[in-house]
Parts: sequence; C-alpha cells; structure tokens
Amino acid sequence: KAGVTQTPRYLIKTRGQQVTLSCSPISGHRSVSWYQQTPGQGLQFLFEYFSETQRNKGNFPGRFSGRQFSNSRSEMNVSTLELGDSALYLCASSPDPNTEAFFGQGTRLTVV
Amino acid sequence: AQKITQTQPGMFVQEKEAVTLDCTYDTSDPSYGLFWYKQPSSGEMIFLIYQGSYDQQNATEGRYSLNFQKARKSANLVISASQLGDSAMYFCAMRERLQGAQKLVFGQGTRLTINP
Repeated sequence: KAGVTQTPRYLIKTRGQQVTLSCSPISGHRSVSWYQQTPGQGLQFLFEYFSETQRNKGNFPGRFSGRQFSNSRSEMNVSTLELGDSALYLCASSPDPNTEAFFGQGTRLTVV
Repeated sequence: AQKITQTQPGMFVQEKEAVTLDCTYDTSDPSYGLFWYKQPSSGEMIFLIYQGSYDQQNATEGRYSLNFQKARKSANLVISASQLGDSAMYFCAMRERLQGAQKLVFGQGTRLTINP
C-alpha cells in the first residue's frame, strides 16, 4: 500500500512568487491535513480537509490556502511568498479524524 | 488550548540500552489521542505509536511502548534495545478535536542520539 506522497520534494522560489504543493493521501483516506515546520516555531497546523471541505484552519495569513479534490488529493498554495515562508511543509492523511495520521516526506520550500 | 511539553531537547544513549522520552500534556477534553512520531534527517514524519485517552492498556508496537499515566498527564515513549537507526528527532503530539476536524498539536521534540 503506497504511503502519502508529496510533490515536489524541494522547491526554491523568489520572494513575491506563489507556489503550489501537492499531497496524495493513502488510498481510502479522506482526511488530509497540512503542517508547517520551521526551526523557530516547530510544527504548526495549517489546515485540514475532509471530503473536499476545509474543516479547520490554523493561525496563518490568507496567503496560505488549500483545497481537496474528489479523489482526496490535496494542494496547498502560498501566494506572495516571504522569506519567513521557508519551511518544511508536511501533509498527513488518515481514514477519518479519530485515527492515526500518517505523514508524507514533506516538501522543503526555500524562499530567496 | 491543548499543550504538549517535551522537556528533553537532546538525549544520548548507548546502543542496546533502553531509553525513555518524556512527554506531558495538558487538555480539558476528556477524549483525546496521543501520538509519537520519529523524524530522521530526511524529514519524513514516521508514525510510531498511538494511545487513546480511554484505552485501558498501554500501547505497544514492537520495540516501542507508551507509558501512559493519565492522572499525571504523561505519555512517555519507551524504546527498548536501542539501535543506531533510532537516532532521530522524536515528537509527541496530541489530537485536538475541533468540530470533528483533525488537528495535531506537537511538542518541541527530543533529539535522540544512539552511540555505538
């Protein structure tokens, strides 16, 4: 059974640009959540989707957005990139919100 | 708000010894879940073990066990017979329920180094 797949693994972007990250959950998992990991702030919750609906969003500016498709694949978008957006972005999937969450390998974004 | 505390920024252990990583939590929700993840230098978060707040027995998964002391609000991870490959960051996390949504709150992590 394939795990959670995140693409791309690495990205380098320039300030002001926008970026889209992709997450394919484990087959059959309908819940997808996103986290940002930085050395200073640790792991912080971005948002969670279940059956194409965003059910919760963390304390991030509106530049951070996401969506989930009917096949449960999810994308997150960051517009007008800032240097502080440089981080490891992790996606997690679970069959439903009350079970274990399994993470992908992450996308490491560097903003220059 | 829920909170997770990991008081050990780093630990050094000899290979084959057992190691305990500490985690305390704070919540007013009677129903919660506790997780441990391992993060090697590659960045992937590897699920290790899960304990539900209503589970009567401590969770075990191979060499990993979770010492769950509900009254003390602690959920320590015990790794038996440590191996060199266990060197990594370890994160304790708690699932927060928000209108059915899944959200994990993480501790700051413990960097475990296994010495040969």
